[in-house]
Amino acid sequence: GAVVSQHPSRVICKSGTSVKIECRSLDFQATTMFWYRQFPKQSLMLMATSNEGSKATYEQGVEKDKFLINHASLTLSTLTVTSAHPEDSSFYICSATGTGGFYNEQFFGPGTRLTVL
Amino acid sequence: DQQVKQNSPSLSVQEGRISILNCDYTNSMFDYFLWYKKYPAEGPTFLISISSIKDKNEDGRFTVFLNKSAKHLSLHIVPSQPGDSAVYFCAGMDSNYQLIWGAGTKLIIKP
Repeated sequence: GAVVSQHPSRVICKSGTSVKIECRSLDFQATTMFWYRQFPKQSLMLMATSNEGSKATYEQGVEKDKFLINHASLTLSTLTVTSAHPEDSSFYICSATGTGGFYNEQFFGPGTRLTVL
Repeated sequence: DQQVKQNSPSLSVQEGRISILNCDYTNSMFDYFLWYKKYPAEGPTFLISISSIKDKNEDGRFTVFLNKSAKHLSLHIVPSQPGDSAVYFCAGMDSNYQLIWGAGTKLIIKP
């Protein structure tokens, strides 16, 4: 099956700093990548959808200037949490869907746990 | 409006027995339905999917049934094993590859 990796798996940062999370598709071309955030005891919340080479589409209520998403290649998307605050602490998960046999499934990364002090 | 509902927050099943996880949906435009399994502090792992044109898909111990007229799908795990203890999410996928998630059901397999 397809593999999606995320880096880092865990990150701790100080309030006011920016953090970049990478999402990579390892063995397929990811035409579309999704970024989710998980709140405790809740299911995943879709933050944004990004297609390779174009601007991300953000869900209602998600600040695009705070959560910068870049999908510059078919194997890499990045989420940058700018000027992070403690309320941004969460579990961020990316997923990818691609071409050919991968078009009808989302393959999820292992997630990144962000803690903002 | 919840388009995908998992009405049972938790389910406890004896090891070796069948686990049945249920999911209801309201959006008749979903093309696919997917089941994911999630352990604490990990990302969801894809389990099994079913196209909206089918009524059953089987993969090893996992079988998903789809009843379009009732807008209901279920995941059967048989036999249940301790490693199956996790939170299971069902999701509907629309034509734009957007996943609409249920709230999840915590499955506990008792030894």
